[in-house]
Amino acid sequence: AQSVTQLDSHVSVSEGTPVLLRCNYSSSYSPSLFWYVQHPNKGLQLLLKYTSAATLVKGINGFEAEFKKSETSFHLTKPSAHMSDAAEYFCVDMAAGNKLTFGGGTRVLVKP
Amino acid sequence: EAGVAQSPRYKIIEKRQSVAFWCNPISGHATLYWYQQILGQGPKLLIQFQNNGVVDDSQLPKDRFSAERLKGVDSTLKIQPAKLEDSAVYLCASSQGMGLDTQYFGPGTRLTVL
Repeated sequence: AQSVTQLDSHVSVSEGTPVLLRCNYSSSYSPSLFWYVQHPNKGLQLLLKYTSAATLVKGINGFEAEFKKSETSFHLTKPSAHMSDAAEYFCVDMAAGNKLTFGGGTRVLVKP
Repeated sequence: EAGVAQSPRYKIIEKRQSVAFWCNPISGHATLYWYQQILGQGPKLLIQFQNNGVVDDSQLPKDRFSAERLKGVDSTLKIQPAKLEDSAVYLCASSQGMGLDTQYFGPGTRLTVL
C-alpha cells in the first residue's frame, strides 16, 4: 500500500525568505502526486500536481515542486514567503480509481 | 463556476445523537467523495461514489455511518449514533471522473461531539 510522509509537522519562516516543505512517497508504481493547501476554516485548494510529465512542476502563488524518483521525494518550495502563505500543506499520492492518500500535513508559520 | 457546497459548516451534538451532512458537488462531476479529517491529521477517505453507485466504502464504519447519493448529484452523510471520536471535519470533494482527475474540495463541516 502506498504511503506519504511529510517530514516536518511545523515549519516557521520569516516573510521574504524561502520555504521548503519535504515529502517522501512510497508508491511502487509511477505515482501521481499533488500538493494541497488548507487555510483556516477553508477547503483544500490544489497547489500543483505531477503526473509523469516534467519533473519540475509549477503551481499557483509562486510554488513549485520537484519530483525525484531516485529519492522518492516531491518537495515543495517557494523562493519568498508571504504572510498569506501561512496555512497547512498536504502532500498527496493518487492511486488508480482516483484514491488519494494524504500525508500528515505541515503547518507553515510566517513571521513578519 | 460554483465550487463544492457543504452544509452545515458547524455542528455540535451530544454523544449517541444523530447528525447529517449535505454536499452538492460541482455541476457535471460524476464522482463524489466524503473524507474525515481528525484534528492534526490528513483527510481519510470514507466513501466514494461514481454517479449514484458506491465505488469504495471500505473505510466507512458501517455500524454507525451511512451515505447516499440517490440521484447522482448531491449526497448526504449520516452518523447514528455519534461517538466522541467522531469529532472531526467532514470534507466533501468531487471530480469529473475517476481517471486521475483533480478532486475539488468543499469547505467542510466541523462536527463536535460532547
